Amino acid sequence: EAGVVQSPRYKIIEKKQPVAFWCNPISGHNTLYWYLQNLGQGPELLIRYENEEAVDDSQLPKDRFSAERLKGVDSTLKIQPAELGDSAVYLCASSLIGNTEAFFGQGTRLTVV
Amino acid sequence: DAKTTQPPSMDCAEGRAANLPCNHSTISGNEYVYWYRQIHSQGPQYIIHGLKNNETNEMASLIITEDRKSSTLILPHATLRDTAVYYCIVRVDNYGQNFVFGPGTRLSVLP
Repeated sequence: EAGVVQSPRYKIIEKKQPVAFWCNPISGHNTLYWYLQNLGQGPELLIRYENEEAVDDSQLPKDRFSAERLKGVDSTLKIQPAELGDSAVYLCASSLIGNTEAFFGQGTRLTVV
Repeated sequence: DAKTTQPPSMDCAEGRAANLPCNHSTISGNEYVYWYRQIHSQGPQYIIHGLKNNETNEMASLIITEDRKSSTLILPHATLRDTAVYYCIVRVDNYGQNFVFGPGTRLSVLP
């Protein structure tokens, strides 16, 4: 069974440019998470979806970040415009609703120059 | 904020048991203790979780104190591939609960 798939694996962009990350969760998983991980720190939740509904986006910086999960399957996280401080690893995870275990993708490492 | 406290780093000799402590003194009665680990350049990986009783699986054992204010993850025979950051998380197993990560413990398994 395929795990959580994220693309691209690495991305380098200039500041003020837009960028998008894509996540395909494990088949059948209703819950999808986007996390941000800065160097040397644990992951921090950006947004959680239950099916196609964003049920927790309290930590998402809505002035520049947006996310969507059309049809309740794969998801896209966008930053526009990117700032130097957005350089980090962006992780996607999925689980069954209310389930104990969340499965993580390998992440997308973003570098803003 | 994370509800757990872990040492920032630990070393362990290859082949020996690695015992990773976690303090969760404010844990609620319905919160589970979860352990994840993150190997360099990978996403976090689930290891084990428990509520009150000690738990064991093919990866590790989880020992939770009787008052549930602390726990220990045990890797019985650490290998070099166990070098990773280990995260202890407390979480209610209900709809709508997130995984809140702290900085974790960086375990280095030494040859």
